[in-house]
Amino acid sequence: NAGVTQTPKFQVLKTGQSMTLQCAQDMNHNSMYWYRQDPGMGLRLIYYSASEGTTDKGEVPNGYNVSRLNKREFSLRLESAAPSQTSVYFCASNHDRGSNEKLFFGSGTQLSVL
Amino acid sequence: KQEVTQIPAALSVPEGENLVLNCSFTDSAIYNLQWFRQDPGKGLTSLLLIQSSQREQTSGRLNASLDKSSGRSTLYIAASQPGDSATYLCAVPSGGYQKVTFGTGTKLQVIP
Repeated sequence: NAGVTQTPKFQVLKTGQSMTLQCAQDMNHNSMYWYRQDPGMGLRLIYYSASEGTTDKGEVPNGYNVSRLNKREFSLRLESAAPSQTSVYFCASNHDRGSNEKLFFGSGTQLSVL
Repeated sequence: KQEVTQIPAALSVPEGENLVLNCSFTDSAIYNLQWFRQDPGKGLTSLLLIQSSQREQTSGRLNASLDKSSGRSTLYIAASQPGDSATYLCAVPSGGYQKVTFGTGTKLQVIP
């Protein structure tokens, strides 16, 4: 049982380049999330998808776009990368049907924008 | 706006010691509280989840308590081991997971 799988694990971009981070879960979860983790700031929500076909902005959505391709997959796209987007990105998922639903995380993508 | 604080930011203890990690939050209208473990270069692994109506949860050597009225949760680790070395984070959803506030974590080192 793979859980939440993210690719790639590491990426270096030049300012202005674009890329897509991929995320897939095999737990039949309804909800999926993208977070970024920066030193001293905790994890912050970028975008989330409560169900297939829906997406909503989180706390820090500027500079990002997302696609919920199907129930399993939720991708995050940087159209024109900036140094401020250097961070560790995590995808997460859960059923979000009630207060007893845990969050499950992928192993992260370490992104550096030069 | 919910604020979540974890103090201390780092903790070093000798193997075998019992220890307590703290998580404080400012808004008591929480959905639940979840404790995670994060190893270097890895994702977050869920340890315990306490629903807002519960007072504590236990899993093996771990016990988490919740006091909503005082805005506090503690994670108790019994008989610590070097393998417990990691960063421990608490997360507090307010009204659903679209609004989750994470603490910045306590980095624990257990010395053999």
